[in-house]
Amino acid sequence: EVQLVESGGGLVQPGGSLRLSCAASGFTFSSYALSWVRQAPGKGLEWVSSISGAGGSTYYADSVKGRFTISRDNSENTLYLQMNSLRAEDTAVYYCAKGARGIITPFDYWGQGTLVTVSS
Amino acid sequence: EIVLTQSPATLSLSPGERATLSCGASQSISSFLAWYQQKPGQAPRLLIYDASNRATGVPARFSGSGSGTDFTLTISSLEPEDFAVYYCQQRGNWPPTFGQGTRLEIK
Repeated sequence: EVQLVESGGGLVQPGGSLRLSCAASGFTFSSYALSWVRQAPGKGLEWVSSISGAGGSTYYADSVKGRFTISRDNSENTLYLQMNSLRAEDTAVYYCAKGARGIITPFDYWGQGTLVTVSS
Repeated sequence: EIVLTQSPATLSLSPGERATLSCGASQSISSFLAWYQQKPGQAPRLLIYDASNRATGVPARFSGSGSGTDFTLTISSLEPEDFAVYYCQQRGNWPPTFGQGTRLEIK
């Protein structure tokens, strides 16, 4: 059974940093692209970042480019999102999501999400 | 960036009725469209990929159609558990984008 479990969310002040983790199990981790998708309170879904299976290719939404860094540890089956220079508009539930059939999207499995709140 | 516009914003129907949800793309995305269902407090769930292919474990009452710029998700006979928010998402043009969602509520 595929499982994705996010952690690392919390309350952070504007300008601060946070690192999210996503522990994966139930599939061959290094064979699949993974992504972060966020959802602001009461709002829709927004793609944030993706990384290829081997980790050599990374992609970012313009809204986070230069501030967020996606990475993965294929020996630990874990995905990360380093978030720096956080802004109030980054407040959201952050989901990690697995790409289906070896491509980035669609997202066939999702974690339960971790809430990031940026506020003073 | 491709803009996806979903309609209606809210759809009020009764169990047993047929639901038709629409998703329009600002330019052609071939058949590279997916549909997700999200219930309150839960993560999204993939229902349909590449416009018309049901994901694993998705009941046959869910079907998708369309290509180019116009897409439809149909639920043939609504079950109580189908009342949720539905999002479309495209991968035909980078970056991937989502529609704003259609809320399917019980009438």
